[in-house]
Amino acid sequence: AQSVTQPDIHITVSEGASLELRCNYSYGATPYLFWYVQSPGQGLQLLLKYFSGDTLVQGIKGFEAEFKRSQSSFNLRKPSVHWSDAAEYFCAVGANAGGTSYGKLTFGQGTILTVHP
Amino acid sequence: KAGVTQTPRYLIKTRGQQVTLSCSPISGHRSVSWYQQTPGQGLQFLFEYFSETQRNKGNFPGRFSGRQFSNSRSEMNVSTLELGDSALYLCASTSRGGQGADTQYFGPGTRLTVL
Repeated sequence: AQSVTQPDIHITVSEGASLELRCNYSYGATPYLFWYVQSPGQGLQLLLKYFSGDTLVQGIKGFEAEFKRSQSSFNLRKPSVHWSDAAEYFCAVGANAGGTSYGKLTFGQGTILTVHP
Repeated sequence: KAGVTQTPRYLIKTRGQQVTLSCSPISGHRSVSWYQQTPGQGLQFLFEYFSETQRNKGNFPGRFSGRQFSNSRSEMNVSTLELGDSALYLCASTSRGGQGADTQYFGPGTRLTVL
């Protein structure tokens, strides 16, 4: 079964500083990886996704993530954080394994990002 | 294109009651998934529907059920509510077959409070 670990529950950065949110996954085959962001009381917005090919993927709002198979990681980065980036971030993995994978994303516990002015 | 819509946005019920939540997917999307989000358990998969058929189900008791209509709209029902059912219920739709590689687009959620 797949699993996702986000080691950092809460991260605080200053506006303008760089950001890296960690995500480690466990899955036997090639994973399909996603990063979502959630503002308070809202649904999830897709930031970026990795299916195959180039291991560095670009997303919306200036975010990027790098897939490292050897480390089972898919860390999210942003070179300069804006106050509006404060939110909760979720890493997720999907699988193409037939019936038990239809429509199912497995999420990490989330990382809350606080941005200081 | 309109996004995923969920109604109602907020709901307050008492223990023992039942509740029905509704989800309208993005036009043309045929797969709808439901998730429960709580502070303690995080985001957990409930079930997925495609062409009016439940194809996958998470590890939840039988009190949680759902259905999908011919226009792809979906409902989920929770019977005999318990305090622990208080959560944000999210639905998501995908444009393709609902497999792991398909991008899921989420609605704003329904916040259910059980008193």
